[in-house]
Amino acid sequence: AQSVTQLGSHVSVSEGALVLLRCNYSSSVPPYLFWYVQYPNQGLQLLLKYTSAATLVKGINGFEAEFKKSETSFHLTKPSAHMSDAAEYFCAVSPPRHGGSQGNLIFGKGTKLSVKP
Amino acid sequence: NAGVTQTPKFQVLKTGQSMTLQCAQDMNHEYMSWYRQDPGMGLRLIHYSVGAGITDQGEVPNGYNVSRSTTEDFPLRLLSAAPSQTSVYFCASSPGMGRSYNSPLHFGNGTRLTVT
Repeated sequence: AQSVTQLGSHVSVSEGALVLLRCNYSSSVPPYLFWYVQYPNQGLQLLLKYTSAATLVKGINGFEAEFKKSETSFHLTKPSAHMSDAAEYFCAVSPPRHGGSQGNLIFGKGTKLSVKP
Repeated sequence: NAGVTQTPKFQVLKTGQSMTLQCAQDMNHEYMSWYRQDPGMGLRLIHYSVGAGITDQGEVPNGYNVSRSTTEDFPLRLLSAAPSQTSVYFCASSPGMGRSYNSPLHFGNGTRLTVT
């Protein structure tokens, strides 16, 4: 069965500092991977997705993630944090049998990002 | 387009009461799903539908029923509410299996349910 592990339920960075949110997956076959962001009292929005093309994926708001098969990781990074990045971030995997469809996503437990002025 | 609309935004129920959480989308999406979000648990899939007349169970289906009589609507029914069903519920949609490759899962803004 596939699963997603996000290391760290809370991450705090200073404004302008590097953001690194960790995600590891387990899957017997290469999965499709996603990062979603949730702002307070809102639903989730897609940040970026990996679908077996380029291993370095660029998303919205300056975020990017790198798929590393050898490490089974898909960590999310942003070079310089902004106050508006404060939110909860979810890593998710889509079972390969769904052909990359974003139905039936399996979500990690989320990482809350705080940004200090 | 309004996207995915969930009603109500907030609801308080007593144990044993029943209610229906409404979800509607105006994007002609085939795929719709319900998730519940609990602190420290991420989102867990309750039920999903790949088209009108077709529904299936997700990871945590017990205590919930769904139906999909139209493409637009996918209501979630709580048959006999329990305190363990206190949660935030999200409805989501996408164009459909195999055709949503380049399309994100669209989420509603959630229904916050408290069962006392």
